[in-house]
Amino acid sequence: ETGVTQSPTHLIKTRGQQVTLRCSSQSGHNTVSWYQQALGQGPQFIFQYYREEENGRGNFPPRFSGLQFPNYSSELNVNALELDDSALYLCASSLLLAEYTGELFFGEGSRLTVL
Amino acid sequence: QKEVEQDPGPLSVPEGAIVSLNCTYSNSAFQYFMWYRQYSRKGPELLMYTYSSGNKEDGRFTAQVDKSSKYISLFIRDSQPSDSATYLCAFFTGGGNKLTFGTGTQLKVEL
Repeated sequence: ETGVTQSPTHLIKTRGQQVTLRCSSQSGHNTVSWYQQALGQGPQFIFQYYREEENGRGNFPPRFSGLQFPNYSSELNVNALELDDSALYLCASSLLLAEYTGELFFGEGSRLTVL
Repeated sequence: QKEVEQDPGPLSVPEGAIVSLNCTYSNSAFQYFMWYRQYSRKGPELLMYTYSSGNKEDGRFTAQVDKSSKYISLFIRDSQPSDSATYLCAFFTGGGNKLTFGTGTQLKVEL
């Protein structure tokens, strides 16, 4: 167990709706990264938060937004949902610059289905 | 051309076999190389990381990097049914903060 919990585990939305996904980071970690994993694909970087500030963003539109709270937990918000947003959304907790050694601790993900 | 190519499998082997999993990449900026294991309905977990070309061993796992050929491999010796999972290669340039993942290879180790 990584100590990273995500909620909800599964949810179904319709096109145009908005969704909020939540992630609690592992104790001692100050960085949260969000990845989108479509079926049969590898995870794609959405963005990273460090000490409540966005610290880098992948190739995702502005309707993907996030927050990090003082306790380092985080939210991912997606507005105006599209069918292609159907995916597993993974949260990874780490210390800053963990990418050098790959020491990102992933939660089990939130599986979003958009109908 | 995709930045990372990884055969999706599925790859089915008998228990005790040596497994070879591979990724090729096109981005010369990739300097750090990782392998993650992802069980069904779980998030990825780090297996190994390496920086330089050559081999790195950890128990039954060996990671191999050939930067000149832009090719990385993960070998699993004495494979066990508990090794059945999807294996993801991942890359980091050393700048920014994103990992670039392959699509994953699904491995099944049968009794």
